[in-house]
Amino acid sequence: DVKVTQSSRYLVKRTGEKVFLECVQDMDHENMFWYRQDPGLGLRLIYFSYDVKMKEKGDIPEGYSVSREKKERFSLILESASTNQTSMYLCASSSPGEGNQPQHFGDGTRLSIL
Amino acid sequence: AQSVSQHNHHVILSEAASLELGCNYSYGGTVNLFWYVQYPGQHLQLLLKYFSGDPLVKGIKGFEAEFIKSKFSFNLRKPSVQWSDTAEYFCAVRSYSSASKIIFGSGTRLSIRP
Repeated sequence: DVKVTQSSRYLVKRTGEKVFLECVQDMDHENMFWYRQDPGLGLRLIYFSYDVKMKEKGDIPEGYSVSREKKERFSLILESASTNQTSMYLCASSSPGEGNQPQHFGDGTRLSIL
Repeated sequence: AQSVSQHNHHVILSEAASLELGCNYSYGGTVNLFWYVQYPGQHLQLLLKYFSGDPLVKGIKGFEAEFIKSKFSFNLRKPSVQWSDTAEYFCAVRSYSSASKIIFGSGTRLSIRP
């Protein structure tokens, strides 16, 4: 069974801090995604990656960056955290054989920026 | 711009009732369509997907969805719901040309009265 592991379930940080959210998948998937989930807005794509060192902007990349140095790990970085980045962050992975849509999700990281 | 509308934000049904959750999208080209489900305390999972072929798609747990191209709709149905179907349901669409960029609807919370 595919496992997508996000490093923290809950995280509290202060405005202006640099924040790292880590995601690891154990199925050698090419595709990895970062979404944020907010009530009434559904899921919004921040960044995705379809291979090591490859990244594509999603719909709301401002204020975020990503890193994919190894195939199994996709990191989301908040360069200078702000209160409007308080949200639930979801990581997902998939393979081209599954259709390239986000197929396997992590449990999420609930991030609060004070 | 592409968008996905789920007009029902919260649906309350009794067990054994029939379910239909609406999903409409705005995009004129070829699309792939998805329904995801998030049970309380669990991670998001793919319920069913439509890529091509038979517009009536069957998914897990007795769910099905029908793609009606003329109405830009992909409604989710289940003939008889169970208490365990209590969850949040997300419709999502990907235009054929947008690789892995999937647009999610805002979600419908389904509550089933035992």
